[in-house]
Amino acid sequence: AQRVTQPEKLLSVFKGAPVELKCNYSYSGSPELFWYVQYSRQRLQLLLRHISRESIKGFTADLNKGETSFHLKKPFAQEEDSAMYYCALSSTGTASKLTFGTGTRLQVTL
Amino acid sequence: DTGVSQNPRHKITKRGQNVTFRCDPISEHNRLYWYRQTLGQGPEFLTYFQNEAQLEKSRLLSDRFSAERPKGSFSTLEIQRTEQGDSAMYLCASSPATGGKTEAFFGQGTRLTVV
Repeated sequence: AQRVTQPEKLLSVFKGAPVELKCNYSYSGSPELFWYVQYSRQRLQLLLRHISRESIKGFTADLNKGETSFHLKKPFAQEEDSAMYYCALSSTGTASKLTFGTGTRLQVTL
Repeated sequence: DTGVSQNPRHKITKRGQNVTFRCDPISEHNRLYWYRQTLGQGPEFLTYFQNEAQLEKSRLLSDRFSAERPKGSFSTLEIQRTEQGDSAMYLCASSPATGGKTEAFFGQGTRLTVV
């Protein structure tokens, strides 16, 4: 069975501080990993996916198969980064069902 | 707004009543998904369609739940004989099936409260 674990329910950081949102997964095959974000009163939206290997809004995430992790990082947090972040796993290479973690609320304070 | 649309946004119903939710996906997307999200949890997969075919159903989808996508466009999710445990946010998402895109676009959800 596939599982996604986000150990922190809440992460509070000061503006300008580095951010790392943790995500670990368990899956026996080759997963595709995603980070979704939900800003206040907005719908869930894709932030980034591991196959793109891109930086979105200053965020990056590297898939570490040895540690089965896909942590989300940003060197300098901004107030507008405050949101709910979900790590998700897809078991196939095309759009299919996603298995989500329980989410981490990022709170960036002045 | 050309994104995924869900109606109603909120539904309050008495235990034992039936409810139906509607999802209109992005028009060129032929895959459609239903998820359920309870407080403090991430979305949990319920079922998905490719065009009008329902290809997968989660064990979470008891026999009181039924989903349809009759013409391969909009979809409905019906819950019969609602229970308090059905109270949740029901999310719909859509995606294209081809082209290498794997992004699922979510609607704003329907919040169900069973009293």
